[in-house]
Amino acid sequence: DGGITQSPKYLFRKEGQNVTLSCEQNLNHDAMYWYRQDPGQGLRLIYYSQIVNDFQKGDIAEGYSVSREKKESFPLTVTSAQKNPTAFYLCASSIQVAKNIQYFGAGTRLSVL
Amino acid sequence: AQSVTQPDIHITVSEGASLELRCNYSYGATPYLFWYVQSPGQGLQLLLKYFSGDTLVQGIKGFEAEFKRSQSSFNLRKPSVHWSDAAEYFCAVGGFNFNKFYFGSGTKLNVKP
Repeated sequence: DGGITQSPKYLFRKEGQNVTLSCEQNLNHDAMYWYRQDPGQGLRLIYYSQIVNDFQKGDIAEGYSVSREKKESFPLTVTSAQKNPTAFYLCASSIQVAKNIQYFGAGTRLSVL
Repeated sequence: AQSVTQPDIHITVSEGASLELRCNYSYGATPYLFWYVQSPGQGLQLLLKYFSGDTLVQGIKGFEAEFKRSQSSFNLRKPSVHWSDAAEYFCAVGGFNFNKFYFGSGTKLNVKP
């Protein structure tokens, strides 16, 4: 089955700690995205990548970092600089940026201990 | 700047009643338009999309949407709502000249028995 796999489903971060959220796709899509979702605020774009070894900041990139070393993988690191990391994080992919259907993973809920 | 507006934050309808969720966008040309549905704690699932052609599009689960260029709208409709339709619905906009998707803030649908 083709799709997007996010792991873990739940993640807890201690003060001052960096944590990494995994996103893997087997759809052979070039474009991948990370969104943050807070209640009542819809989806906000953190980072996106149009192609391997390339990524761009979205609307709320501060305190986050990404890499795109392989086409199928786009991990997101929530750094200690992100002071309010508690949220639901969604990864998505599409054939090209903003021109095709986006497919979403099931999400990772990050909480602060 | 492009934007997407979903003016209704919450909507409650009775089971079996008809439903219309509103979506307006701000963009000079015709964008690509999408409706997604999200159940609590889950990712987003595509309901339907409009790229070009017939302005009335059919989607999954009995939903349809109509693109009205003169009103910059892409409203989602369903003639008879089922209890399982209770979820959050997001309108999204993309396009050939876009470098990212734009999402509305979502409409939460509650279905009364």
